[in-house]
Amino acid sequence: KAGVTQTPRYLIKTRGQQVTLSCSPISGHRSVSWYQQTPGQGLQFLFEYFSETQRNKGNFPGRFSGRQFSNSRSEMNVSTLELGDSALYLCASSFVGRGNEQFFGPGTRLTVL
Amino acid sequence: AQTVTQSQPEMSVQEAETVTLSCTYDTSESDYYLFWYKQPPSRQMILVIRQEAYKQQNATENRFSVNFQKAAKSFSLKISDSQLGDAAMYFCAYITGVGQGGGSNYKLTFGKGTLLTVNP
Repeated sequence: KAGVTQTPRYLIKTRGQQVTLSCSPISGHRSVSWYQQTPGQGLQFLFEYFSETQRNKGNFPGRFSGRQFSNSRSEMNVSTLELGDSALYLCASSFVGRGNEQFFGPGTRLTVL
Repeated sequence: AQTVTQSQPEMSVQEAETVTLSCTYDTSESDYYLFWYKQPPSRQMILVIRQEAYKQQNATENRFSVNFQKAAKSFSLKISDSQLGDAAMYFCAYITGVGQGGGSNYKLTFGKGTLLTVNP
């Protein structure tokens, strides 16, 4: 079974631009979560989607948004990029109720200049 | 606030020896799962071991085992016969909102991590 995939793996953007990251979960997983990882703040929860609905959102500004499609693929968007948005963005999928293990993708490394 | 505390930012162990990584957590939920994840330099997050909070028996996965003390909210990881490939950042985490079908609080809360070095 294929793992979680994320595209692109690396991105370089400038301040003020916007960016869209994509995540394809493991087949059969309907829950997709996003996390931001930085050296200073560690791993922080962004949001979780289940069956195309955002069920939970972390403490991030409205510039961070996401969506989930009917095939469970998810995208997250960051508008008006700031230098502090430079981070590794991790996507994880899970089969809710079965172990609740979250399987992580390789991440997208975003650099904002 | 729900938190996870890993009090050891860095640890080192000699190859073939045993090391224990500490973790304490705080959650008001009664139903949750606990995890240890490993993140090597490749940055790929890998599950090491899982513990259901309602189970008293400590989880074991080959050379990895946990000491789960629910009342003390403690969840330490023991690595036996350490190998060079065990070198990585280790994160303790718990997931809440795990009722049937998940819930509006379904998310992982992570600790800051412990960087484990394995010396040959």
